[in-house]
Amino acid sequence: DAKTTQPPSMDCAEGRAANLPCNHSTISGNEYVYWYRQIHSQGPQYIIHGLKNNETNEMASLIITEDRKSSTLILPHATLRDTAVYYCIVNFDSGSRLTFGEGTQLTVNP
Amino acid sequence: DSGVTQTPKHLITATGQRVTLRCSPRSGDLSVYWYQQSLDQGLQFLIQYYNGEERAKGNILERFSAQQFPDLHSELNLSSLELGDSALYFCASSARDRGPYEQYFGPGTRLTVT
Repeated sequence: DAKTTQPPSMDCAEGRAANLPCNHSTISGNEYVYWYRQIHSQGPQYIIHGLKNNETNEMASLIITEDRKSSTLILPHATLRDTAVYYCIVNFDSGSRLTFGEGTQLTVNP
Repeated sequence: DSGVTQTPKHLITATGQRVTLRCSPRSGDLSVYWYQQSLDQGLQFLIQYYNGEERAKGNILERFSAQQFPDLHSELNLSSLELGDSALYFCASSARDRGPYEQYFGPGTRLTVT
């Protein structure tokens, strides 16, 4: 699986959009980009995934660059409950293992 | 609520002992995964089962074993426990064993070895 690079921490004001970047310059053509988050020792929570096109669901939007070497997770209106560690994972086959890196600690401030 | 259940929530035991962690996947999910999260190693994949068969192995110690039963629940057995086995153990499930299917995680079992 391709390696990902994320900033260790970010801050965001409540109500504002949180934009979390992820670099995955060695991604191959059949690898998906997944985002999960973990709120303080709870089980990780699936957020969104995509291959080439931008994706949006009720939780977030995923923007993947045209060369697929980086992506951005967007939480449109961050709340205090969005404070968590966000993991960007590049995986050929999410039916198998997920390789978690260090992730980004997002802190949403009031 | 992910729909994945894990028992027990907390477990405290002594070195050298053996414990069993239990996981029930979401209804309809055939694939079960086990992950370990410790302070120094982060979240690590241990093993995957699909419809009763082992599918993939990660950094699982020989002292650890798992199985998935016909009703699809899974158990992770940890034996000859050491202090370093203290960690959060998460179970996750997904619909299939391959393909872009998201994994849903349970709340975890916190194991403390004293």
